[in-house]
Amino acid sequence: QVQLVQSGSELEKPGASVKVSCKASGYTFTNYAMNWVRQAPGQGLEWMGWINTNTGNPTYAQGFTGRIIFSLDTSVSTAYLQISSLKAEDTAVYYCARVMSSGYSDYPSSLQHWGQGTLVIVSS
Amino acid sequence: DIQMTQSPSSLSASVGDTVTITCRASQGINNWLAWYQLKPEKAPKSLIYAASTLRSGVPSRFSGSGSGTDFFLTINGLQPEDFATYYCQQYNTYPITFGQGTRLEIK
Repeated sequence: QVQLVQSGSELEKPGASVKVSCKASGYTFTNYAMNWVRQAPGQGLEWMGWINTNTGNPTYAQGFTGRIIFSLDTSVSTAYLQISSLKAEDTAVYYCARVMSSGYSDYPSSLQHWGQGTLVIVSS
Repeated sequence: DIQMTQSPSSLSASVGDTVTITCRASQGINNWLAWYQLKPEKAPKSLIYAASTLRSGVPSRFSGSGSGTDFFLTINGLQPEDFATYYCQQYNTYPITFGQGTRLEIK
């Protein structure tokens, strides 16, 4: 069955960087886009963008450009979210989420499978 | 961006009750709407896509309806495991946007 297993919680100081991993199993990794979603404390879900796991091309939502990088290691079926120059307001749970349908188009998709989330706390 | 407005933001109900959550889009999204269930410390669960199609394995007490701008998630006969937070999501247009969530609590 499809599984997305994310790395564990992180506690970082302001200005540092963090890299969250999302290891996929149970399907052909490069056939499905991977999205990233953020949930800040007490807040709702916020879409950060997605990465084409076939080409590695990322698309970032407005408001998430500049300090985040989506990347892949297809040899281990893993997607990564890196956030640099961390700020207190980056404190959140970060989810990876796989789309429902295989292949790539110009249109978004529902998110069928989710990782368990990674809590990133930014505090001095 | 398409704004998604859910109501109510919170809801108290009892086991066995039927509840309905509403999600309104700021513009028409055809039927490109999904519903998710979130519980603390667990991976979010996809319940419904294309406004009314139940994911495999999701109990039939969950149902979705609506099209255009107004959508509904109904849970018939609440079970203890249904108490959670529910989000709608539009995927008609980028950027993907979510409603603000509805917290379903035990009365």
